[in-house]
Amino acid sequence: DGGITQSPKYLFRKEGQNVTLSCEQNLNHDAMYWYRQDPGQGLRLIYYSQIVNDFQKGDIAEGYSVSREKKESFPLTVTSAQKNPTAFYLCASRLGGGEYGYTFGSGTRLTVV
Amino acid sequence: AQTVTQSQPEMSVQEAETVTLSCTYDTSENNYYLFWYKQPPSRQMILVIRQEAYKQQNATENRFSVNFQKAAKSFSLKISDSQLGDTAMYFCALPSGGSNYKLTFGKGTLLTVNP
Repeated sequence: DGGITQSPKYLFRKEGQNVTLSCEQNLNHDAMYWYRQDPGQGLRLIYYSQIVNDFQKGDIAEGYSVSREKKESFPLTVTSAQKNPTAFYLCASRLGGGEYGYTFGSGTRLTVV
Repeated sequence: AQTVTQSQPEMSVQEAETVTLSCTYDTSENNYYLFWYKQPPSRQMILVIRQEAYKQQNATENRFSVNFQKAAKSFSLKISDSQLGDTAMYFCALPSGGSNYKLTFGKGTLLTVNP
């Protein structure tokens, strides 16, 4: 079955360390997105990519980086510059012109220890 | 800029009853889609229903329906015959237009269905 796979499900990071969250899709979708979810804040856009080798900053990109070397993969790196990285991270992809909304992965819970 | 407002942080309803979740938005686009997503305790985001703005008829998916008022920029979700499995966070979402398509989400409404 096609879908989006995020790994790991839970991730613990020490302060000052970089950590990379994986997002892989086999839906053949061109566009992919990373959102951050905090209690009471809804979903906030970190980065998005509409084609391979191209990506744009979202609303809260500071302290994050991404790459899009393959259509199927859109990893997110949370760097030590991100002041408050503890959150739930969701990856999504989009079919066509967007009339079908997004397909989401199951998320990664990142905790700084 | 696109904005989406959900004014009800939490709601509760008795099983088998009907509940309506509110959403208002602002956009400069004339033709667009609107979405409601459900996030149960598993935290998997699930598309519940979508509405095309140029269609006057309100969308319906089984027990879920919307009341779309384009002029008022209102997009409420009605859940009929509520079930325990409807307990979840519900997010209203609006896409930006043009080539840089991206969804803007409201802050969500936590719906609890009580037995």
